[in-house]
Amino acid sequence: GAGVSQTPSNKVTEKGKYVELRCDPISGHTALYWYRQSLGQGPEFLIYFQGTGAADDSGLPNDRFFAVRPEGSVSTLKIQRTERGDSAVYLCASSPDSSNYGYTFGSGTRLTVV
Amino acid sequence: RKEVEQDPGPFNVPEGATVAFNCTYSNSASQSFFWYRQDCRKEPKLLMSVYSSGNEDGRFTAQLNRASQYISLLIRDSKLSDSATYLCVVNRGGGGNKLTFGTGTQLKVEL
Repeated sequence: GAGVSQTPSNKVTEKGKYVELRCDPISGHTALYWYRQSLGQGPEFLIYFQGTGAADDSGLPNDRFFAVRPEGSVSTLKIQRTERGDSAVYLCASSPDSSNYGYTFGSGTRLTVV
Repeated sequence: RKEVEQDPGPFNVPEGATVAFNCTYSNSASQSFFWYRQDCRKEPKLLMSVYSSGNEDGRFTAQLNRASQYISLLIRDSKLSDSATYLCVVNRGGGGNKLTFGTGTQLKVEL
């Protein structure tokens, strides 16, 4: 596709449930990033992939959060045992490589944990 | 202290006004700098990169002062459509192109 695609656009889940958020990057982009944006805040870095491997996962808040990118394209962010504090917009971005560009974000998944 | 600090605003200005936003960053090793624009309930979009020599894109001018660790954005002849939140963004370097965002400055341009 022309841009970064994220699905679902909205997700409401009950506390304690497991969720998966999907990101389909721009074709050919090797670097993929996940960010989280809470209300009134700027996006915060979670994890980035260069190809299939997680090159830096230092922003993941705890071990309930995990992300994969098995074929170096689509990525899935997985959250186990969701908590109300996980409610936020989860943004994905991709770039041609991990050089110092400002990259393009997808429209995000708005996660609400009730 | 936050790594990137901005005045959250809101800045309410009349159409046609000139408005300036400022931002400071704490990590002197930061390598690249950007302004992003974010409309309500939308994703952030890259507005412009910021270079030490200063750079201009139409009505928008960005400046970087590395010595003071200070970034600015000037918008001339404000339009109603400029109403948005403007995010100051820094790449800390060290590999990986991780961006650190400020909390954003809200601009409202009014008739």
